Amino acid sequence: QKEVEQNSGPLSVPEGAIASLNCTYSDRGSQSFFWYRQYSGKSPELIMFIYSNGDKEDGRFTAQLNKASQYVSLLIRDSQPSDSATYLCAVNRRDSGYALNFGKGTSLLVTP
Amino acid sequence: GAGVSQSPSNKVTEKGKDVELRCDPISGHTALYWYRQSLGQGLEFLIYFQGNSAPDKSGLPSDRFSAERTGGSVSTLTIQRTQQEDSAVYLCATTSGGGDEQYFGPGTRLTVT
Repeated sequence: QKEVEQNSGPLSVPEGAIASLNCTYSDRGSQSFFWYRQYSGKSPELIMFIYSNGDKEDGRFTAQLNKASQYVSLLIRDSQPSDSATYLCAVNRRDSGYALNFGKGTSLLVTP
Repeated sequence: GAGVSQSPSNKVTEKGKDVELRCDPISGHTALYWYRQSLGQGLEFLIYFQGNSAPDKSGLPSDRFSAERTGGSVSTLTIQRTQQEDSAVYLCATTSGGGDEQYFGPGTRLTVT
C-alpha cells in the first residue's frame, strides 16, 4: 500500500471555478500535512500546511483534514490559469525527524 | 542567503564517474533533508540531518550514496560510480526546527550518460 496517494489527473477546471484536490495517507499517527505546488521544471513551493482536524483557510486556498478518514484535501477557489501546476500532498514521517512522504501529485489545468 | 540554494543547477556526467551536489540552507535552519525526484516516481526521501548528524539515512538507495553536513550549514550529497538510474532531480529542503514546514531549494538536475 502506497503511503500517500493522490489521483494523478489531469484535473481540468474552468477559470473561476473551485478546484478540489484530494489525498489519502496510510499512517494513522501522522500529525503534519502539507500541500506543495510545483510548476514544470521548478522545485516544490509550500502553499498550505495543516495539523488539526477541520479546515484552514489562506486566501483562495483551503486545506481540509480528516484524521479519522485519513484524508486531506485542498480547495482552490476562483481558480486562475496561473494555478495550473502539479499539486503534491505530503505527510510527515514520524520516524524520521519530520521528513516527508509525498504523493505523486495531481496535475491541475485551469482553462481560460 | 534568503533561500535554500543548490549547486550545480545541472550536472551531466558519464556513467561510473563520481559527483558531488551541494546544498546551502537558509541561515539558522537546523534540519536539512535530501530528496530525489525521478520522472514518474514522485519525491523520494534520501537522508535527514539535524545539525551535523544524520539520524536517518534509510532513504539512501545504495552504498554508492553518501552525504555529510559541516558546521550545521552546508551539506554535500556524493554519488560514487554513477549509474543511469541515478538520473533525477536532487532536491534539498530545510526547516527551522521550530516548525516542520520544509522549504526547498531549486534542485540539481543530474543526467548520467
